[in-house]
Amino acid sequence: GESVGLHLPTLSVQEGDNSIINCAYSNSASDYFIWYKQESGKGPQFIIDIRSNMDKRQGQRVTVLLNKTVKHLSLQIAATQPGDSAVYFCAEKGNTDKLIFGTGTRLQVFP
Amino acid sequence: DAGVTQSPTHLIKTRGQHVTLRCSPISGHKSVSWYQQVLGQGPQFIFQYYEKEERGRGNFPDRFSARQFPNYSSELNVNALLLGDSALYLCASSLARQGGFEKLFFGSGTQLSVL
Repeated sequence: GESVGLHLPTLSVQEGDNSIINCAYSNSASDYFIWYKQESGKGPQFIIDIRSNMDKRQGQRVTVLLNKTVKHLSLQIAATQPGDSAVYFCAEKGNTDKLIFGTGTRLQVFP
Repeated sequence: DAGVTQSPTHLIKTRGQHVTLRCSPISGHKSVSWYQQVLGQGPQFIFQYYEKEERGRGNFPDRFSARQFPNYSSELNVNALLLGDSALYLCASSLARQGGFEKLFFGSGTQLSVL
């Protein structure tokens, strides 16, 4: 049978295409946002972060966009590779120093 | 440089027992946080320690406790284990200083199974 909680939203892309993973956050007072990549059996790995005084930040092959008006965050991965296959989490920092994680999106890359 | 290290990597316990999980932060990091990740969900905040003092606590029962040592390593203790405590326990460290926040670097976690 199926297990509750394992049905993460899934994004399937072809190798070489661009990927866009979206995330909605809840607290309009959140001032810091971060994306993590988690591969099976491993802890979350930092990808990129952005503070609320910015609306865009670029890294190597990755871009994070922040839209505070609609409380939306996105992660863009250029030229997606098989090694990008993983679960991606967005997280926000609110009034305290803890991170609040979203439920995650599974990215599957096909050759 | 070594990342965040956690031990043990896997642990099997029975209901009612207690468990101690250990974490060594990245060298130079004085802040350690603990998160619980249930299968299929994002990590949930349990504790944060900075300079050996508790700086934050998540919505977890008193069965959960932690401490940080002078060398900035940390232990997470869970008493009277329940089946629902089965999860991946993640430790993270950061360069966070008093009144500031810096990104967290996570270890690979301890997979706890309670039978």
